[in-house]
Amino acid sequence: GQNIDQPTEMTATEGAIVQINCTYQTSGFNGLFWYQQHAGEAPTFLSYNVLDGLEEKGRFSSFLSRSKGYSYLLLKELQMKDSASYLCAVRDRGSYIPTFGRGTSLIVHP
Amino acid sequence: DTGVSQNPRHKITKRGQNVTFRCDPISEHNRLYWYRQTLGQGPEFLTYFQNEAQLEKSRLLSDRFSAERPKGSFSTLEIQRTEQGDSAMYLCASSSTGGLSNEQYFGPGTRLTVT
Repeated sequence: GQNIDQPTEMTATEGAIVQINCTYQTSGFNGLFWYQQHAGEAPTFLSYNVLDGLEEKGRFSSFLSRSKGYSYLLLKELQMKDSASYLCAVRDRGSYIPTFGRGTSLIVHP
Repeated sequence: DTGVSQNPRHKITKRGQNVTFRCDPISEHNRLYWYRQTLGQGPEFLTYFQNEAQLEKSRLLSDRFSAERPKGSFSTLEIQRTEQGDSAMYLCASSSTGGLSNEQYFGPGTRLTVT
């Protein structure tokens, strides 16, 4: 299993940049996912990292350092619609099943 | 195909009753997962199928919970003798076997309220 830690809540201003951190402990690593979940809706896939480094996808980027057990999700040019919970999930080696963190509730204000 | 679908979307039941939920995954996905989510928490794994075989069950899954995927397509999750602690959102997800990430696609969930 994994211990996944991410901040409970963050606030940011429209148009700004925000970084959501995730730390994890696992006996064997096989990928890290970020999902976005709006209130009352299903999680939707944002990004996947299995190798160290930065993956960029439009306004969203995700970074991974396996040696540090650390990832972050970077959101640029924040929009009001980015207000949501952001879930970090880690998959163990040999498993198809990611374990989810509690999520970080991001509030974007004008 | 419009994605993963789940029925019903909402279910209110009295304590002690049995309930059954259905999940229809994305048609070409052979992996199917059930999760439970409560307010302020991330999805908690319940069970996993590859085709019709149930390959993994969480140790947290009590014997009141049972899941099936008889033909390797849709799946059902049944909760017997419901308890108030079963109140949660029940999420179904599916994924393919090809590719590197095999990310999960989630359905809209079934919100269960046990009174």
